[in-house]
Amino acid sequence: DADVTQTPRNRITKTGKRIMLECSQTKGHDRMYWYRQDPGLGLRLIYYSFDVKDINKGEISDGYSVSRQAQAKFSLSLESAIPNQTALYFCATSDTGGLTGELFFGEGSRLTVL
Amino acid sequence: RKEVEQDPGPFNVPEGATVAFNCTYSNSASQSFFWYRQDCRKEPKLLMSVYSSGNEDGRFTAQLNRASQYISLLIRDSKLSDSATYLCVVSKPDTGGFKTIFGAGTRLFVKA
Repeated sequence: DADVTQTPRNRITKTGKRIMLECSQTKGHDRMYWYRQDPGLGLRLIYYSFDVKDINKGEISDGYSVSRQAQAKFSLSLESAIPNQTALYFCATSDTGGLTGELFFGEGSRLTVL
Repeated sequence: RKEVEQDPGPFNVPEGATVAFNCTYSNSASQSFFWYRQDCRKEPKLLMSVYSSGNEDGRFTAQLNRASQYISLLIRDSKLSDSATYLCVVSKPDTGGFKTIFGAGTRLFVKA
């Protein structure tokens, strides 16, 4: 089984719908992240959390919200999906900050907003 | 200008070839550097960290030039299984800690 699990893996939805992407991890890491990947742009950070009581905006947080329900769970919500949120979304974990810590990614959630 | 820039490729090389990827970063305060590998429709995975002294892992060699703000990855004796996208990753100081910046990736196709 994967150490970082994302659900759903694929989702097609319509403009205006609320969508939640869920992430759970068994690595015991405190730090969790949500990224989106678009062709030609690389991975961009949406939100990150260093522990259960800590939530921080990344570089592209507008239109998204997150919830850190437990150390092992970090969910991403799109309150009212729009077509330019069509992307591949990755959850990641690390046990330290970016200085030395390797990021461990889930398998990704492909979201299409029509 | 992107903070981390890579040649998107694709690089098409025959098996056994040596191929080099370059990456430049804009923030001189950046402190840690990595290469990640991403297979098609898969998640990125750490390939190797990059140190100022250079480091080698089998057929892979990574180099860092802080003065030129330049990182490289050399793959020798390319295998079909090396076909993937290679992501240059840089960590820089940011409020509250460090921020990780991903390049858009360089695609490699190794052909028989």
